Amino acid sequence: DTGVSQNPRHKITKRGQNVTFRCDPISEHNRLYWYRQTLGQGPEFLTYFQNEAQLEKSRLLSDRFSAERPKGSFSTLEIQRTEQGDSAMYLCASSLLRGDQETQYFGPGTRLLVL
Amino acid sequence: AQTVTQSQPEMSVQEAETVTLSCTYDTSESDYYLFWYKQPPSRQMILVIRQEAYKQQNATENRFSVNFQKAAKSFSLKISDSQLGDAAMYFCAYRSAGSGTASKLTFGTGTRLQVTL
Repeated sequence: DTGVSQNPRHKITKRGQNVTFRCDPISEHNRLYWYRQTLGQGPEFLTYFQNEAQLEKSRLLSDRFSAERPKGSFSTLEIQRTEQGDSAMYLCASSLLRGDQETQYFGPGTRLLVL
Repeated sequence: AQTVTQSQPEMSVQEAETVTLSCTYDTSESDYYLFWYKQPPSRQMILVIRQEAYKQQNATENRFSVNFQKAAKSFSLKISDSQLGDAAMYFCAYRSAGSGTASKLTFGTGTRLQVTL
């Protein structure tokens, strides 16, 4: 068990470009979450999956954002036509839901800078 | 919607001393969970302690304990015998209960804890 991993750790892109981030959860964790954290703020929920099903999306997740979790394993978060306001840390967390017991374990995050 | 408020942007404590970080929340739900997460500089967020709202007993994890006041909607974190490694950003977080309810965490804005010699 190596914990939640995220790649890349850092991404610098020009406005208008597309970027894709990857999250590998702890093995056998059935839930996977994406959060966004801007400077000086706490993480804000974007979306989450239970196995391969995307069960909820925040209003923060505009049409330019899309997330997938094929086969219920790793997940990708794609941002199309990036804007400077997308600059943030993107955090992934995974958990194993047992009844109502659940603890989310976070990855190191991907820091995105849009120039 | 639930909100979480941390009114102390920064706190400082001397090594070996005790410090208390404050958190208040607003909810109309009766059953929920509360968490404290620690985010060291440039490192990933880790869970410090969790509290189930239906439990009256305050949670304790080694040097970390909480003071959960459900009626006041207050959830403070006490760190005893502070160590240099405790220096980090601390986030208070809320999660609704119920297996059919979204399990997203709602975070406060965080408190930066500095530990001095």
